[in-house]
Amino acid sequence: KAGVTQTPRYLIKTRGQQVTLSCSPISGHRSVSWYQQTPGQGLQFLFEYFSETQRNKGNFPGRFSGRQFSNSRSEMNVSTLELGDSALYLCASSATGVNYGYTFGSGTRLTVV
Amino acid sequence: DQQVKQNSPSLSVQEGRISILNCDYTNSMFDYFLWYKKYPAEGPTFLISISSIKDKNEDGRFTVFLNKSAKHLSLHIVPSQPGDSAVYFCAASGGDYGQNFVFGPGTRLSVLP
Repeated sequence: KAGVTQTPRYLIKTRGQQVTLSCSPISGHRSVSWYQQTPGQGLQFLFEYFSETQRNKGNFPGRFSGRQFSNSRSEMNVSTLELGDSALYLCASSATGVNYGYTFGSGTRLTVV
Repeated sequence: DQQVKQNSPSLSVQEGRISILNCDYTNSMFDYFLWYKKYPAEGPTFLISISSIKDKNEDGRFTVFLNKSAKHLSLHIVPSQPGDSAVYFCAASGGDYGQNFVFGPGTRLSVLP
């Protein structure tokens, strides 16, 4: 079966702009989580959506937002981009998100200049 | 304040020998732990998990050990193979984080032929 698909793979944006990243989970998976990976920081949890509802949120400013559609596809939006937002953004899906190993996508590499 | 720590940024091991990757956590409410492997330009791949009710879980060449009193877990790979060369992330969930995972910064394993 198809894995988790993230688009685009690479993005270059200018400070102050906004960006939208997309994630298509594995078919049948209803939980989608977003993570930010930066060198030395590991993976930091952004938020999780389940059945179109944000179920959990990490410790990121309000500039980071997301949503999930009825087909479980999810988008993440970052407004007023800052240089420090440059990172690999990973999306992960699971059937329920309950004590379950997620399947990750390959990520979107965002560079803010 | 990093709640999941992997104090060795990198590790080199000879092919055929044992690789031991360590992970420490500070939150005593964590009750479920995962190890992920990540190749460059790919998302993390789930390797093995362990629940706090166990102290060992084995899957082929991979064994995870959990020492709850020391808040320490380790991943053993025996025998190590060149294809195991990757970044390994330890992740924990439970307590205030619910089913969302907190990741360590990762350890880069190089298996030398």
